[in-house]
Amino acid sequence: KQEVTQIPAALSVPEGENLVLNCSFTDSAIYNLQWFRQDPGKGLTSLLLIQSSQREQTSGRLNASLDKSSGRSTLYIAASQPGDSATYLCAVRSNDYKLSFGAGTTVTVRA
Amino acid sequence: GAVVSQHPSWVICKSGTSVKIECRSLDFQATTMFWYRQFPKQSLMLMATSNEGSKATYEQGVEKDKFLINHASLTLSTLTVTSAHPEDSSFYICSARRQGQSNQPQHFGDGTRLSIL
Repeated sequence: KQEVTQIPAALSVPEGENLVLNCSFTDSAIYNLQWFRQDPGKGLTSLLLIQSSQREQTSGRLNASLDKSSGRSTLYIAASQPGDSATYLCAVRSNDYKLSFGAGTTVTVRA
Repeated sequence: GAVVSQHPSWVICKSGTSVKIECRSLDFQATTMFWYRQFPKQSLMLMATSNEGSKATYEQGVEKDKFLINHASLTLSTLTVTSAHPEDSSFYICSARRQGQSNQPQHFGDGTRLSIL
């Protein structure tokens, strides 16, 4: 069974600082890995999708890397803003097409 | 804009009531939809996979008779929580995958907060 862990559980940084969010998974036989953003009481917004054959994906200030062999992914958010405050979830899609989620990292960016 | 619509967004009802939640893909066909449950400050847990025109596949520990899933069309799946009790109170989220695009992201609804009194 795939286990997904996100560290840290919570993070508070001053505005402008770069954010580094970590995700690890136990079974390297994955199809892809997806990073989501969840605002309080809301659903999920997809941020980045990395296929198993890729090493990284970039979108604006966001960059996600994937090291499948070591079971790790990192989400970098450059020059953080208060609007980046949210919970960030990592989800791994296994080859049976199911998504396994981490518990998330709750980010607070202080103005 | 949203590509998956979930309704209602919030339900408060008495214990013993059955509650139906709808999940619609707005501009694409989805042969497969997924239903998740999320407790406060915890991760999403997959409850079941909804397949159009066939029976849903439930995850281990999820009661089929308690959580009825119907996927009667390529754009609509429903989850009915039967005879709901306070322990069923949770945040329920659906997602859908575009037909024929298995390597693309799943799209999620905004979730339904269910509170059973």
